[in-house]
Amino acid sequence: EPEVTQTPSHQVTQMGQEVILRCVPISNHLYFYWYRQILGQKVEFLVSFYNNEISEKSEIFDDQFSVERPDGSNFTLKIRSTKLEDSAMYFCASSEPLRGGGPYNEQFFGPGTRLTVL
Amino acid sequence: GENVEQHPSTLSVQEGDSAVIKCTYSDSASNYFPWYKQELGKRPQLIIDIRSNVGEKKDQRIAVTLNKTAKHFSLHITETQPEDSAVYFCAASKGRSYGKLTFGQGTILTVHP
Repeated sequence: EPEVTQTPSHQVTQMGQEVILRCVPISNHLYFYWYRQILGQKVEFLVSFYNNEISEKSEIFDDQFSVERPDGSNFTLKIRSTKLEDSAMYFCASSEPLRGGGPYNEQFFGPGTRLTVL
Repeated sequence: GENVEQHPSTLSVQEGDSAVIKCTYSDSASNYFPWYKQELGKRPQLIIDIRSNVGEKKDQRIAVTLNKTAKHFSLHITETQPEDSAVYFCAASKGRSYGKLTFGQGTILTVHP
């Protein structure tokens, strides 16, 4: 069964550094998402992406964050100048389109990247 | 925006008992309600979902009910087994708004043998 993959599984960085988290969505999916989960807290939506542009973003997703689909398979989240509070598990998710437009609601999650900012 | 509240935060049951987790949502336009199971250190995995055009859905030992009037939905697990132990998250989405999921706080379910 196809799965969303993410790399790296764990990233440790110094405060102020830039990190890029990578995701490979399921191949026929067209809608892509990033969520984060601070330890012990709920999963929070960051951004959705479709047709090479951001569809929606949350208040968390400020100018520090950016997303990109650099090629036909990868979907990346860049965090510039990381802060201590960016430490969290970051999940990528993807979903396939419904006929007639709009995403098929089921989202498939990747295994996550644990980001630790020191 | 949408707000999803989930209760209880922890739930401990004996093997074979039933477990019920409840969620409420705020946005009446939400029309899709998935439940995810997350085992320690692993990805959230969809276990069951329900759309607003039905009131109940069942899949073996798992069922979900939806009350649109009251804006709440519940997960029911019958004949619980130790492998059901995990964190369960409810979520809500307004279907065609690019599928953004708003999650509840999660319920840690522990099934004792």
